[in-house]
This record gives sequence, structure tokens and C-alpha cells, in this order.
Amino acid sequence: KNEVEQSPQNLTAQEGEFITINCSYSVGISALHWLQQHPGGGIVSLFMLSSGKKKHGRLIATINIQEKHSSLHITASHPRDSAVYICAVYHSGGSNYKLTFGKGTLLTVNP
Amino acid sequence: GAVVSQHPSRVICKSGTSVKIECRSLDFQATTMFWYRQFPKQSLMLMATSNEGSKATYEQGVEKDKFLINHASLTLSTLTVTSAHPEDSSFYICSARQGGFETQYFGPGTRLLVL
Repeated sequence: KNEVEQSPQNLTAQEGEFITINCSYSVGISALHWLQQHPGGGIVSLFMLSSGKKKHGRLIATINIQEKHSSLHITASHPRDSAVYICAVYHSGGSNYKLTFGKGTLLTVNP
Repeated sequence: GAVVSQHPSRVICKSGTSVKIECRSLDFQATTMFWYRQFPKQSLMLMATSNEGSKATYEQGVEKDKFLINHASLTLSTLTVTSAHPEDSSFYICSARQGGFETQYFGPGTRLLVL
């Protein structure tokens, strides 16, 4: 079993729909990243959070440390949101804070 | 936000040759840089962690003699794939961190194709 599991693996939505991508992890963490990877490959960090909720524009990320679960929400989705969304966690302890990545969720938003 | 660049963005080389990939932090000093590899439809896998001025720490299963990492300055790390083989074809991504984990930024990646 992977330490970081994402669901769904693939998600297709119509423009304007509300999107939720889930991430569950099985290890103790210091913080969690939500990343966006576009078809060209470059990765952009959307959020880094260790508790509660963060909002940036149409994106909202939440985390429940007790349940070891995080969600990424996209409101009023748009075709330009089409990308792979990756959840990654920093293991607690250790000195280098290495990231462990989920396999990603491929989101396709159709006009 | 902070910017991390990689060069080249894509490279095609013949089997047996060596390829160098550069990773630069453009507007901050990176105390730690990470090199990842991503095969199609798979997640990023950490290859090695490098701290400026010291030897890189390689993950299990990554050959240090094949993937040479040099972190000579606080703004530059290089990954050299020596004697490249077709199975080394992949997407290589670097990431740079200024201090704590709050400041980790990713480069745009380098796509390597070994013929």
C-alpha cells in the first residue's frame, strides 16, 4: 500500500462544476503539499498546509491531521484547470523533510 | 514567488554518452536541492538530496556513480547522467529549498530521451 493515496485517479468534469480531489496518507507528517503539473511537465506548488484550511482564488485545500486526510476543491472549474494534481507529504521527523508523492489525479475539464 | 530554472528543457542523446542537467535557483539561495525522476503516468521519485558544499545523499536503488550530483554553490546544482542508456529516458525534475520545508520550489523539468 502506498503511503500517499489519491482518489480519483482520473476525473472528467464540465466547465463550471465543483471538483474535489482526495488524498489519504498513512504516515506521520509535518505538512502536506498540493501540486499542479501541466502537460508540459512543470510543477507548481498550489498549497502547503499543516492544519485547517487554505483558500487561493477558486482553489481550497483542507486537511484533517487526525484522520490523515486532505482534500483539494476547485470551484467553478474551467478548462484551464485541466492538469494532474499531486498530493505530497513531508514525513515528520528527520532533518531533510523529504517529500513522498501520490500518483496524481488527472483532471480534465471540458468546455 | 521564487523561481527555479532547469537547462536544458529537453535533450536527446545517443546511448553511452553523458548528459548534464543544470538546476538554478534564480532569486534565492538554496541550501538544499532535490532531484526527482518521473516515468510516464507515475509519481515523482526522489533520486537524491544535495546540500551545498557536501556530498549528495542518494536514495536506495539510485546508482551514485551513474547519476553524479554536484551542488557547488547556493544557486546551482547539476545532475550528470553518465553513460546514458535508453532506460534512463525519463523526466527529471529538480527542486530547491531555501530553509525549512515551507520554501520548496520546483523546476520546470528536463525531458531526457536516450536513443
